[in-house]
Amino acid sequence: GIQVEQSPPDLILQEGANSTLRCNFSDSVNNLQWFHQNPWGQLINLFYIPSGTKQNGRLSATTVATERYSLLYISSSQTTDSGVYFCAVGYFGNEKLTFGTGTRLTIIP
Amino acid sequence: DVKVTQSSRYLVKRTGEKVFLECVQDMDHENMFWYRQDPGLGLRLIYFSYDVKMKEKGDIPEGYSVSREKKERFSLILESASTNQTSMYLCASQEQTYGYTFGSGTRLTVV
Repeated sequence: GIQVEQSPPDLILQEGANSTLRCNFSDSVNNLQWFHQNPWGQLINLFYIPSGTKQNGRLSATTVATERYSLLYISSSQTTDSGVYFCAVGYFGNEKLTFGTGTRLTIIP
Repeated sequence: DVKVTQSSRYLVKRTGEKVFLECVQDMDHENMFWYRQDPGLGLRLIYFSYDVKMKEKGDIPEGYSVSREKKERFSLILESASTNQTSMYLCASQEQTYGYTFGSGTRLTVV
């Protein structure tokens, strides 16, 4: 099956810093999503981004499907950004997602 | 906003009990999913459904079954709960070509 690798596994930053999270995947995909899991366990969908670039406030994401990677950018980090960020991928016509193991982000005040 | 509601936030059951986890979505989505999340193993798909009465096995279906009698409701059933089914269970729904919406999760402990 498809492999999804996320890096780094852990990231600790001061409030206000910028960060880049990376997701590599082993096969061509038509479905790629980024999620944030907050400390209470709730998973929030950040982006549906099988290709191209999207922005939502301080967050943006870019997927280069031909090179099999996606990047999530967080600017001017806030403590509420803490949690685990997951990348998940799937094939067109098959809505099952395979999740990466996540990047745990800790923002220190 | 789409809402996905899981019936219980925390649940404690005894070994051998039959356990029902309920999930309801309010946006007429076709696709619904059940995942479990365990430390070190990430999220793994148990079952999913792409229409009423339609279901497909995910990566770890053993020991589970599902029911989807109405479009808005997708139930996960543990036929005979075991301690290795202690986990966080997450339900999600999806409209075609859009992102998943997850419920808040059910933390199940089997004793």
